[in-house]
Amino acid sequence: KAGVTQTPRYLIKTRGQQVTLSCSPISGHRSVSWYQQTPGQGLQFLFEYFSETQRNKGNFPGRFSGRQFSNSRSEMNVSTLELGDSALYLCASSPSVAAIAYEQYFGPGTRLTVT
Amino acid sequence: AQSVTQLGSHVSVSEGALVLLRCNYSSSVPPYLFWYVQYPNQGLQLLLKYTSAATLVKGINGFEAEFKKSETSFHLTKPSAHMSDAAEYFCAVSGPNTGNQFYFGTGTSLTVIP
Repeated sequence: KAGVTQTPRYLIKTRGQQVTLSCSPISGHRSVSWYQQTPGQGLQFLFEYFSETQRNKGNFPGRFSGRQFSNSRSEMNVSTLELGDSALYLCASSPSVAAIAYEQYFGPGTRLTVT
Repeated sequence: AQSVTQLGSHVSVSEGALVLLRCNYSSSVPPYLFWYVQYPNQGLQLLLKYTSAATLVKGINGFEAEFKKSETSFHLTKPSAHMSDAAEYFCAVSGPNTGNQFYFGTGTSLTVIP
């Protein structure tokens, strides 16, 4: 099976712009989670989608949003970009209805740089 | 709230020496525990997981971890370090007390000295 894919791999944006990142989970996986990884804060959970519904949400402002399509592909959007949004954004998929008991499979990430 | 503590943000070992990376969790209910490895410019790869079966868990690349409830620990070990083991290692926890979320430790950077 193909792994989790994320596009684009690298992105440079300017403050105030918005950005959309895409994630395609492993075939058959219905749970998709998003994380922000920065040197200072480590891995922080953004949100999780299951069957097109947001099931969990981390402690991020409303500028961060996401959605999941019927084929389980997911997108996340960040509006009004700030310098602090520069990070590696990781997507992870899980095969289980109850994601807690099953490992997550991570994509390679999208490196977002905000200037 | 659930939390994971990784002691030592940087660990250096000589090639061939024992690797020991420490992870402690805070939970009144035994959680599900995971170790992931991240190589530069890559995503996270699962090394092993504990989900209430055997307390000694064997993973890929010769790594193993032991769940110790009394110590709330899940330390990662490997008997003999290879140069290719140099990477960032993350401990993670999920379970009934985490609201279906994964919580990651801050990571331990492993350096292997030739």
